[in-house]
Amino acid sequence: GAGVSQSPSNKVTEKGKDVELRCDPISGHTALYWYRQSLGQGLEFLIYFQGNSAPDKSGLPSDRFSAERTGGSVSTLTIQRTQQEDSAVYLCASSLRQPPYEQYFGPGTRLTVT
Amino acid sequence: AQSVTQLGSHVSVSEGALVLLRCNYSSSVPPYLFWYVQYPNQGLQLLLKYTSAATLVKGINGFEAEFKKSETSFHLTKPSAHMSDAAEYFCAVSVDTGRRALTFGSGTRLQVQP
Repeated sequence: GAGVSQSPSNKVTEKGKDVELRCDPISGHTALYWYRQSLGQGLEFLIYFQGNSAPDKSGLPSDRFSAERTGGSVSTLTIQRTQQEDSAVYLCASSLRQPPYEQYFGPGTRLTVT
Repeated sequence: AQSVTQLGSHVSVSEGALVLLRCNYSSSVPPYLFWYVQYPNQGLQLLLKYTSAATLVKGINGFEAEFKKSETSFHLTKPSAHMSDAAEYFCAVSVDTGRRALTFGSGTRLQVQP
């Protein structure tokens, strides 16, 4: 079946612009995660959605970052007023709501802020 | 909170040699443990998972890992390296509470010499 898809695969933006990154999880997966992968920080958790529950936003690095999930499926991560330190690969993952909750990852979006 | 330590940011082996990638974890509750592989410019692919059903876990591409509670380790092995195994490998831990987000190690880049 289809895996997790993300778009765009690459995004180059100017400092100060807003960007939107999209994630389409595996059908039937109720949990959705966003992670960020950067050279200096490794793989970091950003935000978690589970069904219709309020998202866990505890990993978001600043209030410029936000995310939503519509209809329990597609998610959009928005970064406002981008900064150069936002340059990274943004990975989305989804999982079933049963142990061991293994997560399946999309190919990522490489964001470059110039 | 959970944590993962991967010893050795770079490992180089000859084709046909044993592959051993080290992972130690810390968790106050029983963990789920995972190994992921990342090829250049791709997302993370699940290699194998530990769920407490068996301490020796077999995964894809001939990899396996052994959970040793007394040593808090989950090392990844493969008897005979192939050129195609060259990639970055991440060990990750999660627990069955809260958001169940993955906490990753810093990764080990495996190089396979002909």
